[in-house]
Amino acid sequence: DGGITQSPKYLFRKEGQNVTLSCEQNLNHDAMYWYRQDPGQGLRLIYYSQIVNDFQKGDIAEGYSVSREKKESFPLTVTSAQKNPTAFYLCASEGLNYGYTFGSGTRLTVV
Amino acid sequence: KQEVTQIPAALSVPEGENLVLNCSFTDSAIYNLQWFRQDPGKGLTSLLLIQSSQREQTSGRLNASLDKSSGRSTLYIAASQPGDSATYLCAAYTNYGGSQGNLIFGKGTKLSVKP
Repeated sequence: DGGITQSPKYLFRKEGQNVTLSCEQNLNHDAMYWYRQDPGQGLRLIYYSQIVNDFQKGDIAEGYSVSREKKESFPLTVTSAQKNPTAFYLCASEGLNYGYTFGSGTRLTVV
Repeated sequence: KQEVTQIPAALSVPEGENLVLNCSFTDSAIYNLQWFRQDPGKGLTSLLLIQSSQREQTSGRLNASLDKSSGRSTLYIAASQPGDSATYLCAAYTNYGGSQGNLIFGKGTKLSVKP
């Protein structure tokens, strides 16, 4: 079945540590996105990529980095510069005339 | 900048009732509009996508309409069931930095259907 796989489901980060969230899709979609969801604030766009080897900052890119070396993969790194990383992170891809498809999310907690 | 608002923030209804969830957006120059469902602690599940040239879409007990001129979309749920309990999110497609296809989300309506 086609879809988006996010891993891990739960992730714990220590102070000053970088962590990477995985996002893989087998839908053959060109565009991929990372969103952050906080209670009461809705979803906010972190980064997006319309094509391999190209990506753009969203509304809240500070403290995050991404890469897009393969069409299927769009990993997100939460760096130590992100001062409030505890949140639910959602990855999505977009297909022409198909809309957005989301993964099941990664819950990141600072310990 | 595009803003999407969903009212009410929460809704509780008895099983079997027909209901309408509302979504409004400030910029009528949207491409498409998509409705999602989110269960607690889970990702988003796409319910309906209304493309630019369409005015409504239907899937089973769900019907979504789009009126760009008034900046409104509604999601109609017929004969509600306890399994429909979830948060419903609407999202408008808009340009972002010249690129197409970025979604602006509302904060959602949390629906509870009582048996």
